[in-house]
Formats: sequence, C-alpha cells, structure tokens
Amino acid sequence: GNSVTQMEGPVTLSEEAFLTINCTYTATGYPSLFWYVQYPGEGLQLLLKATKADDKGSNKGFEATYRKETTSFHLEKGSVQVSDSAVYFCALDLEGGSYIPTFGRGTSLIVHP
Amino acid sequence: GAGVSQTPSNKVTEKGKYVELRCDPISGHTALYWYRQSLGQGPEFLIYFQGTGAADDSGLPNDRFFAVRPEGSVSTLKIQRTERGDSAVYLCASSLMDRGTEAFFGQGTRLTVV
Repeated sequence: GNSVTQMEGPVTLSEEAFLTINCTYTATGYPSLFWYVQYPGEGLQLLLKATKADDKGSNKGFEATYRKETTSFHLEKGSVQVSDSAVYFCALDLEGGSYIPTFGRGTSLIVHP
Repeated sequence: GAGVSQTPSNKVTEKGKYVELRCDPISGHTALYWYRQSLGQGPEFLIYFQGTGAADDSGLPNDRFFAVRPEGSVSTLKIQRTERGDSAVYLCASSLMDRGTEAFFGQGTRLTVV
C-alpha cells in the first residue's frame, strides 16, 4: 500500500542549528508530496509541497526536494529558531481520482535558545 | 467561512454512549476528509466525501462509525456505543480536490470516552 515513513523524534536542537527531518514514501504512481506543521495548540497547516520529481518546495526558510530515485522528501532548514518548535508531518496524495492525503507519524522538533 | 470549523472542541462521554462530531468546511470545497489522531501518531484516514457521497470509507474501523454530508457542505461523524479505545482527536479537513492541492484542517474535536 501507500505509506510515509518519518524519522523518530523528538529532534532537539539549539537555535541556529541545521535541521534535517527524513521522510521516505512508498506509493504506486506519482504522488504529490507535502510537509505539514502543527504548532502547539494549533491545527495542521501546510508548510510546503512538491508535485513532481525534482521539484523543490520552500516556505519560511524550510526546503524539501522531491527525489523519485530515492523516494524521499527530506525537510531541511539552515538555521532553526525557537518558534520552529512544532510537530512536522510528511504526507502524500495519490494520483488517480481520489487525492486522499496519507500522513506519516510526525516528528517533534524542539529548539532551545 | 474563513476556515474549517469543528464542534465541539472537546467531548467527554461515557462508554456505550452515542456521539456526533460536526465539521463545517471551507465554502466551495467539494472534498471533505475525516481523520483520527492518537497521541504521538499522525492523522489516520477514516472517510472521504466528494460532494454529498462517501467516495471512500475504507478507513472507518468498524460499523459503529458512520458519517454523513447530506447537502455537500457540513458533515457529521457519528460514533455509536463508544469504547475507551475511541478516545482520540478527530480531525476534519477540506480541499478543492485536485492533485497537489492543500488540505485545510480544523482544530479537531478531542473525544474522551470514560
């Protein structure tokens, strides 16, 4: 079936450190890939997306590149801030008529001053 | 509306009781999704509506769970004979239903079965 695997958290970093959160997927066809973020006390919201191979999604200093050859969509940020502390979810939706987003289990990021 | 609205935000019920959870999606969004999220887990798909019809209900765990969207807008998730294992945050999302389209989520309903 179609699935998303994320690295286990929590990821704990100091402010201004480099962040990578790994995400790999299994899917039939050619999915679109997403990162959603859930800040404390808030609902899930889209952070960035990529709809085809080699596309790079970016937003708020975060980036992720759709790598078809490695079926990956790793999230990166060069310099994290305390305000980036949240839970990050990798997700995909499936081509072929019903675009139901499928989510990974989430990775908690904690950034210390 | 401005966003996806879910009511109530919290619901505590006794084991064996019936509950209804409501979702009011963004106006004009034809696709509506229900998910369940347990602590430390990602959203788990329950059911998807395209317009008024349930296009995919493969995620509903058993026949105690049912959802409707009679006019293609507001949706209600219904749980009969609740069990303690049903305790979770129930999320609703809506979208324009196209490849690569963002799903907009509500804040969720936290259901606690005691």
